[in-house]
Amino acid sequence: ETGVTQSPTHLIKTRGQQVTLRCSSQSGHNTVSWYQQALGQGPQFIFQYYREEENGRGNFPPRFSGLQFPNYSSELNVNALELDDSALYLCASSFSRGNGANVLTFGAGSRLTVL
Amino acid sequence: AQKVTQAQTEISVVEKEDVTLDCVYETRDTTYYLFWYKQPPSGELVFLIRRNSFDEQNEISGRYSWNFQKSTSSFNFTITASQVVDSAVYFCALSEARFTGRRALTFGSGTRLQVQP
Repeated sequence: ETGVTQSPTHLIKTRGQQVTLRCSSQSGHNTVSWYQQALGQGPQFIFQYYREEENGRGNFPPRFSGLQFPNYSSELNVNALELDDSALYLCASSFSRGNGANVLTFGAGSRLTVL
Repeated sequence: AQKVTQAQTEISVVEKEDVTLDCVYETRDTTYYLFWYKQPPSGELVFLIRRNSFDEQNEISGRYSWNFQKSTSSFNFTITASQVVDSAVYFCALSEARFTGRRALTFGSGTRLQVQP
């Protein structure tokens, strides 16, 4: 089975620009979550998508948005980039039955640098 | 609000030493899940273990063992006879079970383990 793949692996943007990060879920998984990991810190939950709808969100402003597609792949969009948005963005997929705590399978991340 | 504290920022040991990584958590829920993940330099987080709040049995998997103590809200991780390949950042994480379908993990700040040959 293929794991979680993310693209691009690295990118550089300037303040005020917009960025789209992409994620392909592991085969058989129906839930996608996105996390932001600043340098030297633990990942922070951005949001989660299940059945193409956002069903949980962390403490991130609305300029962070996402999509989940029918094939369970996902996008993370960030508008009006700020310097503090520089981080490793991790996508994780899982299979959810609506209860319990799923084991997340993470991708290797997209490293965003905002200048 | 839930919180995970990993007080050890960095640990350095020599190969074959035993090492314990500490994790202390806070939650108001009676039902929750605890995790450990490993993050090698390549970046992806690798799942190591999941434990639910009703299962306080310690677990051993090869050189890895976990000690869960609800009385002290701790979920510590021990590597026996460490190896250079164990060098990575290790994260402890907590998930509350209240919200159906929403399984956000709250991560600690991580412990960087360096195993010297």
